Amino acid sequence: AQKITQTQPGMFVQEKEAVTLDCTYDTSDQSYGLFWYKQPSSGEMIFLIYQGSYDEQNATEGRYSLNFQKARKSANLVISASQLGDSAMYFCAMREGRSYGQNFVFGPGTRLSVLP
Amino acid sequence: DVKVTQSSRYLVKRTGEKVFLECVQDMDHENMFWYRQDPGLGLRLIYFSYDVKMKEKGDIPEGYSVSREKKERFSLILESASTNQTSMYLCASSGGSNTDTQYFGPGTRLTVL
Repeated sequence: AQKITQTQPGMFVQEKEAVTLDCTYDTSDQSYGLFWYKQPSSGEMIFLIYQGSYDEQNATEGRYSLNFQKARKSANLVISASQLGDSAMYFCAMREGRSYGQNFVFGPGTRLSVLP
Repeated sequence: DVKVTQSSRYLVKRTGEKVFLECVQDMDHENMFWYRQDPGLGLRLIYFSYDVKMKEKGDIPEGYSVSREKKERFSLILESASTNQTSMYLCASSGGSNTDTQYFGPGTRLTVL
């Protein structure tokens, strides 16, 4: 079964508008972490934002915020004031339990295109 | 600033060749990882290492081996490259005060002819 689901293979957004990228996850662990990465066409995976399962506040990093709804097991990424440079693949990932990092699962990704 | 580097951005090899992909991190991280990324299959973990000379198999270790002789360097070895190993290879590291977050290198796009 898919541990990370990203239901939007592709998204379009107008420059300067906000966009929400969906992510739902499946775990029975109480302690876990959720991550979002950006992958531009150059190929590098760029870490954007992290949310711990025990964090009560939604994580924010500049124009990025993570809408964490624990009961629904969702961790949507919100990008405010989209820029042309935001066009990329976006991956949601989860680290289950306490581990060295091997229990790190990625979703299939969403391709975001920002229109001028 | 976090820095993970990979020896090549693009590599072309022939079937049967031995291939070395090198990854170096300068954050003194304990953990290092090798993934491959293929269209429609996402990122899949090949091997990871949580300490010098320590290694663990990931989801798809067949056809690969790894070496970690120094903390900052993690090598992925294809003993006899095959065409089905044509892929994007991504190295990552994690550790320090934030053991969760993985930081990635720029990737190596390997083509095996």
